[in-house]
Amino acid sequence: SQQGEEDPQALSIQEGENATMNCSYKTSINNLQWYRQNSGRGLVHLILIRSNEREKHSGRLRVTLDTSKKSSSLLITASRAADTASYFCATPAGANSKLTFGKGITLSVRP
Amino acid sequence: EAEVAQSPRYKITEKSQAVAFWCDPISGHATLYWYRQILGQGPELLVQFQDESVVDDSQLPKDRFSAERLKGVDSTLKIQPAELGDSAMYLCASTPVGVTGEQYFGPGTRLTVT
Repeated sequence: SQQGEEDPQALSIQEGENATMNCSYKTSINNLQWYRQNSGRGLVHLILIRSNEREKHSGRLRVTLDTSKKSSSLLITASRAADTASYFCATPAGANSKLTFGKGITLSVRP
Repeated sequence: EAEVAQSPRYKITEKSQAVAFWCDPISGHATLYWYRQILGQGPELLVQFQDESVVDDSQLPKDRFSAERLKGVDSTLKIQPAELGDSAMYLCASTPVGVTGEQYFGPGTRLTVT
């Protein structure tokens, strides 16, 4: 079963606009991670936010975490065509804290 | 920059045949993961190794799938016999800091079973 659920499933925006993606999860976590996957490729780690953090920045990325609502958001500012990809949230869960992924959000950035 | 290597990148096989995938993690990474990703879904963990030992294979279909990491370095995932439903991307990942940290993914092997 999947721990994280991303929303929306698909997002299409114009280059230069901001993209906001959301993730909800079910159980307590010690961190939440966001990954990007270009078509037909492996996943690339974008950012990790710990349960005691509320917001984190990395370049054009801003991640927030609300543990009371069990939700996180990923904001990509000033989007570029190269940001076109699928984005996944992932959380450690279970006895071995294995990483479980949501179904992903498909982001299309139109030039 | 060190990367996780996987081969082959693409594999087409007929159902009932055997198929094997290889992964070489980043040097020094003790933990290695094999994931299966069905089109339109997120990756799902098949098996996790810590050095040469299996830590989690609860989602591995053991009647047809096997995985090994004999010397605690590179790893092989095998399917025998392959079924149509095994068509998917098989991803390998590694990490130096345990299961709660960032994972480094290889490019994956796209398997098509006909």
